[in-house]
Amino acid sequence: SQTIHQWPATLVQPVGSPLSLECTVEGTSNPNLYWYRQAAGRGLQLLFYSVGIGQISSEVPQNLSASRPQDRQFILSSKKLLLSDSGFYLCAWSAAYNEQFFGPGTRLTVL
Amino acid sequence: AQTVTQSQPEMSVQEAETVTLSCTYDTSENNYYLFWYKQPPSRQMILVIRQEAYKQQNATENRFSVNFQKAAKSFSLKISDSQLGDTAMYFCAGYYGGSQGNLIFGKGTKLSVKP
Repeated sequence: SQTIHQWPATLVQPVGSPLSLECTVEGTSNPNLYWYRQAAGRGLQLLFYSVGIGQISSEVPQNLSASRPQDRQFILSSKKLLLSDSGFYLCAWSAAYNEQFFGPGTRLTVL
Repeated sequence: AQTVTQSQPEMSVQEAETVTLSCTYDTSENNYYLFWYKQPPSRQMILVIRQEAYKQQNATENRFSVNFQKAAKSFSLKISDSQLGDTAMYFCAGYYGGSQGNLIFGKGTKLSVKP
C-alpha cells in the first residue's frame, strides 16, 4: 500500500531563516506531487506541483521554492522566511490524475 | 472558469441525526471527478468519497453518500447517523482534467456534531 510521509511535524523558525520541508511517498512510482499551504481556518492554496523528477510548476509567486530530486521525494524550501509564511503545509500525491492523498502535514510558525 | 463553491462556512448537527453539506461547481468539461475530503482536528486530509461525472449513480461509502445533480452542477454530501468523530472541516473538490492532476478546492464547511 502507498504511504506518504512529511517531516518535520512542527517547526518554529525566526523571520529570515531558511526552510526545508520534506515529503516522501512509498509504494508507488512516478506520482504527481503537490505542496499546499493552509492558513488557520481557511482553505487550501496550491503552491507547487510536479509531474516528474526535476519538473516543478509554481502556482503562486512567492519566496518559496520546490524541488524534486528523486521520483518520490518532494522538498519545499525558502532562503529567508517571512511572517506570512506561517501556516500548515500539506504534501499530496496522485497517480490517476484525479484523487489526491495527503500527508500528515507540517505546522510552521515563523516568529 | 472552473470553480468549486461551498456556501456554508459552519454547520452543526446532533449526534445520530443526518446532515447535508452543499457544494456547487462550474466547468465546461464533460469528464470530471468530484470529491469530498474530511479534515479533522489533527488536520490530516482524508478522502471521504469520490464521484465520476459519467456515472449517474450516486456514490456511497457507509454513512456517507452524495447527491450528484449534474445538470444543476451540485454535489452535496449527506452524513447519516452522525457521530462525534465526524466533527471536522469538509472540503469539496473537483478535478476537471489536465495532465498535472490539479484539484480545485472549495473553502470548506466546518461541521460540529453535538452530543
